[in-house]
Parts: sequence; C-alpha cells; structure tokens
Amino acid sequence: AQKVTQAQTEISVVEKEDVTLDCVYETRDTTYYLFWYKQPPSGELVFLIRRNSFDEQNEISGRYSWNFQKSTSSFNFTITASQVVDSAVYFCALLLNSGNTPLVFGKGTRLSVIA
Amino acid sequence: ETGVTQTPRHLVMGMTNKKSLKCEQHLGHNAMYWYKQSAKKPLELMFVYNFKEQTENNSVPSRFSPECPNSSHLFLHLHTLQPEDSALYLCASSHDRSGGLTDTQYFGPGTRLTVL
Repeated sequence: AQKVTQAQTEISVVEKEDVTLDCVYETRDTTYYLFWYKQPPSGELVFLIRRNSFDEQNEISGRYSWNFQKSTSSFNFTITASQVVDSAVYFCALLLNSGNTPLVFGKGTRLSVIA
Repeated sequence: ETGVTQTPRHLVMGMTNKKSLKCEQHLGHNAMYWYKQSAKKPLELMFVYNFKEQTENNSVPSRFSPECPNSSHLFLHLHTLQPEDSALYLCASSHDRSGGLTDTQYFGPGTRLTVL
C-alpha cells in the first residue's frame, strides 16, 4: 500500500530564511504522481506542483523549488527567502497510475514565518 | 466565478438537523470528490463521482449521503450527525476525460462544519 510521510509537524522560521519541507513516499508502483498543496488559514487546498515518476528533473518556480529523488523516495520542497504569506500547512500527496486509487496525503507540515 | 466553490463556508447544526453542503466546479471537469479533514488526521476521501457515477465510497456512515446531479455540481446531504463529524469538508474536481482519475485535483475552500 502507498504511504506519504511528512516527518516535520511544525516549522518556524524568521522571514527571509530558506526552509525545506520534507516528504518521503512509499509505493511499489513504477508509475505515479507526486503533488504539493498549500493550505492557508482560509482552508482551501491550493495546488502547487505535480511531478511524474519518470521525470526526476528538479523544478523551480519563483521562490519555490522541488527536489525529486527516486533513489531515496523523497520529494522535498524548498522555499527561498520565506515571507509571512508563506505561513500555511503544506501537504505532500501521492497518486498511482494503476487505476482508480485515491490520492494519498501526508499529515502536513505547518510552516510559520515570523516577521 | 472560477475554480471550485463551496457553500456554505461555515455551518453549525444540531444532531437532529438535516442540512446539505454544495459544491460547484467551473473548470469543465468530469470527476468530483468529497474529503473530510479533521484536526490532527490526514485528509480522508469520502466519495468520488466520475462522469456523475459514484465510483468510491470509503466506508462512510449512511448519515452522509452524496448526490451528483451533473458533472458540475456535487452535494453532501447530512442528517443525524454526531459531534465527532465536526470537521472541514472539502470538495475537489479533476478533469479525467479518460475516467482513470489520475489528473490533478483542484480543491474548493471547504465548509467548516460544527455539530452540537
């Protein structure tokens, strides 16, 4: 069965610091998709990125970057020069390509950025 | 209006009440989902509708009753709920033209439900 582990429950950083959120996943499937979502205090889950298991290239989008390493089954998320608006709960999730299986979420990491 | 909308945003109900949550997606998607998010628990998938047909029911108690009249609208009818049903209920949709449910899910803002 598939599983997503976000070992960091809560992280606090001072504004402008860089911060990395860890995500480790488990699956025996070879084709799958990985996601990161952001949940601000308003409650909505905001989609950030989707990664195909065959594409290990790292991705950068503004202050956000993602490091996908199949060898360690990790899909870590780094925010550079953090801002107060980055304060939210961040979820990593795994979806298999093998059929109608549910999107499996980690328990989330609560990030607090202090001014 | 764009994306996925949910109404109401907040709901307080007694255990004997009957209420409904509404979700509407404006993305032209074919699949819609209900999730429950309780404090300190991972997101739990409750129901999935694909092309208006229910394809998943994750052992959800019968006091929760979904309805999907068309691919743009999804309801969750609630009756005789328990205090432990208090949670954030999130709706999501995905494109999934092929029906495989592998496309990205986009979420609404949620309905925060309190059962007294």
